[in-house]
Amino acid sequence: AQSVAQPEDQVNVAEGNPLTVKCTYSVSGNPYLFWYVQYPNRGLQFLLKYITGDNLVKGSYGFEAEFNKSQTSFHLKKPSALVSDSALYFCAVRDIIPPTDSWGKLQFGAGTQVVVTP
Amino acid sequence: GAVVSQHPSRVICKSGTSVKIECRSLDFQATTMFWYRQFPKQSLMLMATSNEGSKATYEQGVEKDKFLINHASLTLSTLTVTSAHPEDSSFYICSALVKPGTEAFFGQGTRLTVV
Repeated sequence: AQSVAQPEDQVNVAEGNPLTVKCTYSVSGNPYLFWYVQYPNRGLQFLLKYITGDNLVKGSYGFEAEFNKSQTSFHLKKPSALVSDSALYFCAVRDIIPPTDSWGKLQFGAGTQVVVTP
Repeated sequence: GAVVSQHPSRVICKSGTSVKIECRSLDFQATTMFWYRQFPKQSLMLMATSNEGSKATYEQGVEKDKFLINHASLTLSTLTVTSAHPEDSSFYICSALVKPGTEAFFGQGTRLTVV
């Protein structure tokens, strides 16, 4: 079964500093990885995804993520954090269902609360 | 990106009554929709997967008679919490796949409070 782990419950960063949110994954085949952001009492907003191709994926709102196969990681990054980036961030991996490799459910990490201080 | 609209955003109901939550894909047809439940400061727990025109597939431990899911059209899925109790109070979120092989888009969520 596929799974993701977000080792940090919370990340604190000062505005203007680089932001990194960690995610490691465990899959039996090719990974299909996603990052989502959730603001209070709101649904999830898609940030970016890795399916195949370049290891550095660029997404919405200036975020990017680096896929590292050897370390089984997919860390989310932003060069300069904003106070408005304060939110809950989820890493997710998509189940792949054999034998047709059809798409199954998303497995979410526990989430990482990002707090950006002015 | 694709827009998924969820309604209502907040609902308060009395214990023993039923509540219906709607999830609509506004600018695309969603063959598959998912319903999640989220407790405070926790991750999303998948409740069920619904495909248009067929019965929903429920995750282990989710009571299908309590959480009725209907996916009658390619743009609408509904979740009905029947005979609601205070322990059903939670944040419910739906999501929809534009098509297999793409990312899922999420509704705004529904805060259900059962009193």
